[in-house]
Amino acid sequence: DTGVSQDPRHKITKRGQNVTFRCDPISEHNRLYWYRQTLGQGPEFLTYFQNEAQLEKSRLLSDRFSAERPKGSFSTLEIQRTEQGDSAMYLCASSRLGDRSYEQYFGPGTRLTVT
Amino acid sequence: KQEVTQIPAALSVPEGENLVLNCSFTDSAIYNLQWFRQDPGKGLTSLLLIQSSQREQTSGRLNASLDKSSGRSTLYIAASQPGDSATYLCAVGGATNKLIFGTGTLLAVQP
Repeated sequence: DTGVSQDPRHKITKRGQNVTFRCDPISEHNRLYWYRQTLGQGPEFLTYFQNEAQLEKSRLLSDRFSAERPKGSFSTLEIQRTEQGDSAMYLCASSRLGDRSYEQYFGPGTRLTVT
Repeated sequence: KQEVTQIPAALSVPEGENLVLNCSFTDSAIYNLQWFRQDPGKGLTSLLLIQSSQREQTSGRLNASLDKSSGRSTLYIAASQPGDSATYLCAVGGATNKLIFGTGTLLAVQP
């Protein structure tokens, strides 16, 4: 069990560029979540997957955002035409369906800065 | 709509003091409540999880309680140490288990 990993850890991009983040969940965890955290705030839910199916999306996830989880393993979060308001920490978490506690384990996050 | 509030927003205590962090939520229909620690610029570390059927959980110097009917949880830290300095986040999980977070309590333990 190596924990949840995220790549890259930091990303600086210019406004209007596209960026893609990757999350590798704990093996055998079939639920995967994306959250966004801005400075001084708690994380906010963006979307979650159960295996490869995307089951819920927040209203925060505008049409510039897309998330995938092919084959129910790793997940990617893409932001198209980035805006300065997209600057935030993007956090990924995983949990195991069937685990009664539903405990979520978080990765180290990807810090996005849009200039 | 579930809302989570944490009080105080910031707290500074001398080393060795016992302290209590508070979390309140508006909708008592929760599946669980998790307390996390976050160091500056880092991800979240899970400290304690309380299932909706439980009243409290303990881990080392940490004790978390849950009163679902009143929409409250507390995190008790005994004999605080400078290494406990961090932001502490409370989050509640509902039917889909997405977590709704509070804004956190920034704790500083002075040596």
